[in-house]
Amino acid sequence: GAVVSQHPSRVICKSGTSVKIECRSLDFQATTMFWYRQFPKQSLMLMATSNEGSKATYEQGVEKDKFLINHASLTLSTLTVTSAHPEDSSFYICSALGAYEAFFGQGTRLTVV
Amino acid sequence: AQTVTQSQPEMSVQDAETVTLSCTYDTSENNYYLFWYKQPPSRQMILVIRQEAYKQQNATENRFSVNFQKAAKSFSLKISDSQLGDTAMYFCAFMKPTENQGGKLIFGQGTELSVKP
Repeated sequence: GAVVSQHPSRVICKSGTSVKIECRSLDFQATTMFWYRQFPKQSLMLMATSNEGSKATYEQGVEKDKFLINHASLTLSTLTVTSAHPEDSSFYICSALGAYEAFFGQGTRLTVV
Repeated sequence: AQTVTQSQPEMSVQDAETVTLSCTYDTSENNYYLFWYKQPPSRQMILVIRQEAYKQQNATENRFSVNFQKAAKSFSLKISDSQLGDTAMYFCAFMKPTENQGGKLIFGQGTELSVKP
């Protein structure tokens, strides 16, 4: 299957700082990528849809100004958590859309202290 | 809006036995995809099996098979000859076709499966 690489796998940051997470499709071009958030023992909740060359589409309840998404190329989407607070601590997963299925990155565990 | 429901938060099975995980969904779409994903402790999402709604034949991948009942909107996963490595969280997911604003996955709540030696 296709490979999606997400970086970093773990990050610890201080409250008030910003953190950028990268999602790359390594062997195919992905015009559409998705960002999910997952709390322990819970399901994946879609945060936003990232389309190459256009603005991201955010799900209801997701703060656009806090979770900045950029999809500048067909192989890279980034999620920046701005002015992070402890409640933003979570597991973030990206996926890239193929022809018939989505391919997932390894996830990023964000801890805000 | 589409919804996916997994009514079994936790299940356990003995090594080499068979287990079935349940999933129901609600949609007004006629064409769509259904998936089962496995998430082991590493938290990497792994595709287990995929079913296209227009196909009547149930999908099979080695020890994994589904029972797809379109009219009942049911999509259960059967794991045969369970192995310790099957221990994971299993998510059922729905997706519309990509040409129909698809791509985003709607996940069920998940079923935590434990395979016991």
